[in-house]
Amino acid sequence: NAGVTQTPKFRVLKTGQSMTLLCAQDMNHEYMYWYRQDPGMGLRLIHYSVGEGTTAKGEVPDGYNVSRLKKQNFLLGLESAAPSQTSVYFCASSTQGVGYGYTFGSGTRLTVV
Amino acid sequence: AQSVSQHNHHVILSEAASLELGCNYSYGGTVNLFWYVQYPGQHLQLLLKYFSGDPLVKGIKGFEAEFIKSKFSFNLRKPSVQWSDTAEYFCAVMPKSGGYNKLIFGAGTRLAVHP
Repeated sequence: NAGVTQTPKFRVLKTGQSMTLLCAQDMNHEYMYWYRQDPGMGLRLIHYSVGEGTTAKGEVPDGYNVSRLKKQNFLLGLESAAPSQTSVYFCASSTQGVGYGYTFGSGTRLTVV
Repeated sequence: AQSVSQHNHHVILSEAASLELGCNYSYGGTVNLFWYVQYPGQHLQLLLKYFSGDPLVKGIKGFEAEFIKSKFSFNLRKPSVQWSDTAEYFCAVMPKSGGYNKLIFGAGTRLAVHP
């Protein structure tokens, strides 16, 4: 029962480098989300997806792109990393039914130097 | 704009003390309400949730929360905290309609419980 799996767990990037964070869920959830967590700011929604092949912008989408080619996977890309993107990134998934909570991944700690 | 406000950023208590963490939200429609907990180095875990019905909800580990609609509040309580409750606590709101289950989080409250 893996739930939501994020890879990698840690990463250090140089400014301007690119990378992709992978989120995989095995619960057949329709909805998936990417959040970033910063001290004193809680979690802020970057992008989300309500189904395979669909994505939408959240609260803080600038500098990020996402793709959901398969229902179980939701990828978050940074095309040109900036120090302001140093954060902990959490992926989550949810069923389509209204009111259900999320299942969170264990997070990716990204440092951009 | 929708927002969630948690009044206390840091709380320090001794074991056996009572806990109340405040949470207020700003949203015109009906909502589902959640409290999540994040233990050091771990991901968020659901403590409790309110969808409808009895405004006093009980969660895991002895936590409870009360929804007061007129005050747009959903405060978290525990009668007697333990050292193992040291964690960060997040209140979150989910609009019931048109939101694709998007959660709006508060900034969090760090709780430190001393033996």
